[in-house]
Amino acid sequence: GQNIDQPTEMTATEGAIVQINCTYQTSGFNGLFWYQQHAGEAPTFLSYNVLDGLEEKGRFSSFLSRSKGYSYLLLKELQMKDSASYLCAVKAAGNKLTFGGGTRVLVKP
Amino acid sequence: DVKVTQSSRYLVKRTGEKVFLECVQDMDHENMFWYRQDPGLGLRLIYFSYDVKMKEKGDIPEGYSVSREKKERFSLILESASTNQTSMYLCASSLEVENSPLHFGNGTRLTVT
Repeated sequence: GQNIDQPTEMTATEGAIVQINCTYQTSGFNGLFWYQQHAGEAPTFLSYNVLDGLEEKGRFSSFLSRSKGYSYLLLKELQMKDSASYLCAVKAAGNKLTFGGGTRVLVKP
Repeated sequence: DVKVTQSSRYLVKRTGEKVFLECVQDMDHENMFWYRQDPGLGLRLIYFSYDVKMKEKGDIPEGYSVSREKKERFSLILESASTNQTSMYLCASSLEVENSPLHFGNGTRLTVT
């Protein structure tokens, strides 16, 4: 089966950096996605990793280590609007995407 | 911009009723998905479809069925609604490409009383 773990909640201060970890055990691996979901809204796509290493997109970066079954999402220069849930999802065999439970990030002034 | 539209934002149904949740996407995506989202459990895949008239069971298909008669439309059916099916239901679509992300609709919050 699939198992994807991420912390339930994190708190950080405006302007700081937060790192959200995701570990996974899946049968097959065709890529890892990160989504952002504000309360009451649909998830929106943030990043995709399929090869080991760091992908940078502005204030957000995502890292993958396939051998360790590990990824993280790094949020820099935190803003109040970054308060949201962050979802880690792994594409295993075929097109099936399995999500972790999500990490709720609270940004404080 | 991809648009995924779910027919209802809020729905209240009685136990035993047959419930239809409709989803339409306008970007000619091959893949469509139905998830439910519950606090503490995250997003769980109910059913998905690779093509018209094709369907595959996800992780929690029990109590649900789906229909995909046209490429743009994917319907989720609760044959006999039960209180444990009270949840937020999210439809999504994607291209048949490895790195294609899911595009989600705004969700339908279903309450079964």
